[in-house]
Amino acid sequence: DSGVTQTPKHLITATGQRVTLRCSPRSGDLSVYWYQQSLDQGLQFLIQYYNGEERAKGNILERFSAQQFPDLHSELNLSSLELGDSALYFCASSPRVSSYNEQFFGPGTRLTVL
Amino acid sequence: DQQVKQNSPSLSVQEGRISILNCDYTNSMFDYFLWYKKYPAEGPTFLISISSIKDKNEDGRFTVFLNKSAKHLSLHIVPSQPGDSAVYFCAASYGGATNKLIFGTGTLLAVQP
Repeated sequence: DSGVTQTPKHLITATGQRVTLRCSPRSGDLSVYWYQQSLDQGLQFLIQYYNGEERAKGNILERFSAQQFPDLHSELNLSSLELGDSALYFCASSPRVSSYNEQFFGPGTRLTVL
Repeated sequence: DQQVKQNSPSLSVQEGRISILNCDYTNSMFDYFLWYKKYPAEGPTFLISISSIKDKNEDGRFTVFLNKSAKHLSLHIVPSQPGDSAVYFCAASYGGATNKLIFGTGTLLAVQP
């Protein structure tokens, strides 16, 4: 158990809908990252927050947004969903924002868009 | 553009033998490299890392080697155990103000009893 929790574990929805994925980082970790893993792909970095502020963005679609709250949990919002958004979404956390420290991953949320 | 590549989608090894997983990268600005293991229906689990100032890091049965001139790293598992069967991802990060990881596509390791 990494100490990172994600809810829900599974989510099935329809095209055009909006969903919210939730992540609670490990106790004491200030930095939260979101990654997307599509079928047969590696994990693709989406966005990073550190202590409530956006720190880095990857190839995140404009239909996707995220935020980190004062209690450090984070939410990833996906809107106007398309079939291609079906994927595993992982949240990770680390103590600091800088390099040279590993990230700890949650179990993921499997999103299926029908 | 795939900056971190794992060219072997799968690898099969006998229990007790050495497993060698390979990873190549293209960006010379990467300065920290990590290996993660992933079981089905679970998130990736951190295994071992190495900074660009080193060429080897060892932790128990796991050793990571870094060859900066070749832009290549490898993970050695000795001896391999059936419980090591999983997908292994290598990842790289830049220095500076962010720690985002760039992942390879993974190698499925099967350790046969």
